Amino acid sequence: EPEVTQTPSHQVTQMGQEVILRCVPISNHLYFYWYRQILGQKVEFLVSFYNNEISEKSEIFDDQFSVERPDGSNFTLKIRSTKLEDSAMYFCASGGHSTDTQYFGPGTRLTVL
Amino acid sequence: DQQVKQNSPSLSVQEGRISILNCDYTNSMFDYFLWYKKYPAEGPTFLISISSIKDKNEDGRFTVFLNKSAKHLSLHIVPSQPGDSAVYFCAASGGSGGSNYKLTFGKGTLLTVNP
Repeated sequence: EPEVTQTPSHQVTQMGQEVILRCVPISNHLYFYWYRQILGQKVEFLVSFYNNEISEKSEIFDDQFSVERPDGSNFTLKIRSTKLEDSAMYFCASGGHSTDTQYFGPGTRLTVL
Repeated sequence: DQQVKQNSPSLSVQEGRISILNCDYTNSMFDYFLWYKKYPAEGPTFLISISSIKDKNEDGRFTVFLNKSAKHLSLHIVPSQPGDSAVYFCAASGGSGGSNYKLTFGKGTLLTVNP
């Protein structure tokens, strides 16, 4: 069964450093998303991406964040200058149709020291 | 901003009995609802969904009921099995009328099924 994959599973970085989280969505999907879950809190929407551009972004997704689909398979989330409060699980999701179910990857645990 | 609420942080049931997980929402524009199951250190796994034009959707042991007038949905698992023990998230989409398909999640309910 097709699945969303994410790398790395765990990323540790120093405050102020740049990180890139990588995702490979399900191959025939057209809609891509990033969510995050801070420990003990709910899963929060960050950004949605369709047709090579951002469809919507949340208040969390400020200028420090960017997304890219550099080729036909990868979908990346970049945080330019990480802060302590960026520590969270980051989930990538993809969907095959605008109203279809979103399928989530296993997540990347980002720890900012 | 709690547009999707799961008021029970935890639920414990006996194996073989019914598990009922509840979810309330406040945004009338939500038109699609989903339940996800999540094990520790894994991503949310899709379980079942329901469109706002329906009031019930069934898939094997899982049934989701939607009461639009009450802005309430519930997930029934019957019979419950120990492998169902996980955190269950209610999620909803829609809300802006445009191409906004982001999911808004509840805080989750930890279900424990005891053998």
